[in-house]
Amino acid sequence: GAVVSQHPSRVICKSGTSVKIECRSLDFQATTMFWYRQFPKQSLMLMATSNEGSKATYEQGVEKDKFLINHASLTLSTLTVTSAHPEDSSFYICSATGGTYEQFFGPGTRLTVT
Amino acid sequence: AQSVTQLDSQVPVFEEAPVELRCNYSSSVSVYLFWYVQYPNQGLQLLLKYLSGSTLVKGINGFEAEFNKSQTSFHLRKPSVHISDTAEYFCAVSKGSGNTPLVFGKGTRLSVIA
Repeated sequence: GAVVSQHPSRVICKSGTSVKIECRSLDFQATTMFWYRQFPKQSLMLMATSNEGSKATYEQGVEKDKFLINHASLTLSTLTVTSAHPEDSSFYICSATGGTYEQFFGPGTRLTVT
Repeated sequence: AQSVTQLDSQVPVFEEAPVELRCNYSSSVSVYLFWYVQYPNQGLQLLLKYLSGSTLVKGINGFEAEFNKSQTSFHLRKPSVHISDTAEYFCAVSKGSGNTPLVFGKGTRLSVIA
């Protein structure tokens, strides 16, 4: 199957700083990427849908100015958590699709804000 | 809108015993159905999917699932579990068009006991 990578796998940052998470499709062109957030022992909640070359579509309740998403190429989308706070600590997972029914998931990024 | 209900949050089962993880969905349109497995601190791995055709779907690691349209269910089964099957299992639904996100159930924690 297709491979999606995320970087970094783990990041610890201080409250008030920003952190960028990269999501890359390694062997296919991802027309759409999705960003999910997962709290401990909970399910994945969709944060936003990102289409290459256009603005991301955010789910209700997700602050677009706080969670900046850029999908500048068909193989890369980035999520920047701006002015991070401890409540932003979570597991962030991206997925990518080339336009078919199937999404391919990255391994996730564990963000801890101290 | 679609929704997914996983009826059991935790399922303990002895090694080599059979297991069934239940999933029900609701949707006003035809959907694609998926089961994913998540090991600790990792992303999601696709176990199997139902798109169309035969209602009995076989996946990886000896898992299978049966799509039942009248009962709007897509239960996951394995005839004999191993310790290594201990993980979180997520049922998900998609409207199916290429760039639509998945809607996940809350997950079922399968614990295999030696």
